[in-house]
Amino acid sequence: TQLLEQSPQFLSIQEGENLTVYCNSSSVFSSLQWYRQEPGEGPVLLVTVVTGGEVKKLKRLTFQFGDARKDSSLHITAAQPGDTGLYLCAGGKGNTGKLIFGQGTTLQVKP
Amino acid sequence: DSGVTQTPKHLITATGQRVTLRCSPRSGDLSVYWYQQSLDQGLQFLIHYYNGEERAKGNILERFSAQQFPDLHSELNLSSLELGDSALYFCASSVYRGRFTEAFFGQGTRLTVV
Repeated sequence: TQLLEQSPQFLSIQEGENLTVYCNSSSVFSSLQWYRQEPGEGPVLLVTVVTGGEVKKLKRLTFQFGDARKDSSLHITAAQPGDTGLYLCAGGKGNTGKLIFGQGTTLQVKP
Repeated sequence: DSGVTQTPKHLITATGQRVTLRCSPRSGDLSVYWYQQSLDQGLQFLIHYYNGEERAKGNILERFSAQQFPDLHSELNLSSLELGDSALYFCASSVYRGRFTEAFFGQGTRLTVV
């Protein structure tokens, strides 16, 4: 079974703080995606990384794919209440389209 | 709006009953994936259809079945429902970007079995 372990599962921080969410696996993935999900909605894709060591930035969010393509991290700088939500990492294999999801990290940013 | 439409948004039914969830993929997308999201299991892949044909199965119970019709909409049938089947059910359609597949999720159907 290919598992993606996310940590932490829950995170409650104050506005302005920085945070990092980790996504680890013993399996190699061809791509690693990060999604954000809000209550009552489906997951929305934030970013896809495909090359080992790749770093992508999306405003205050920085995503990194591990050199061996088994792990990834999401770093948020100066978190804002609008960042509150469930963050999910998902690993892809080739072009099957099937995604293996981590358990998710619930982030709460308090004003 | 992802372009993927799921109906109904909410469904409450009794144990032992059968329900059908419906999904229309984004215009032009041939693939439909079904996922189940529960509190203790996270998002679990159930099944993948491509242009009417089953392509891959995940952790889908024998009581569950799906199909994709010629107009590309898909239905997920859940029968002999149990309390533990209560969950959010998502469908997604996708586009292949050369090195990865980008998935677009619907808003989900929240199924409550009482």
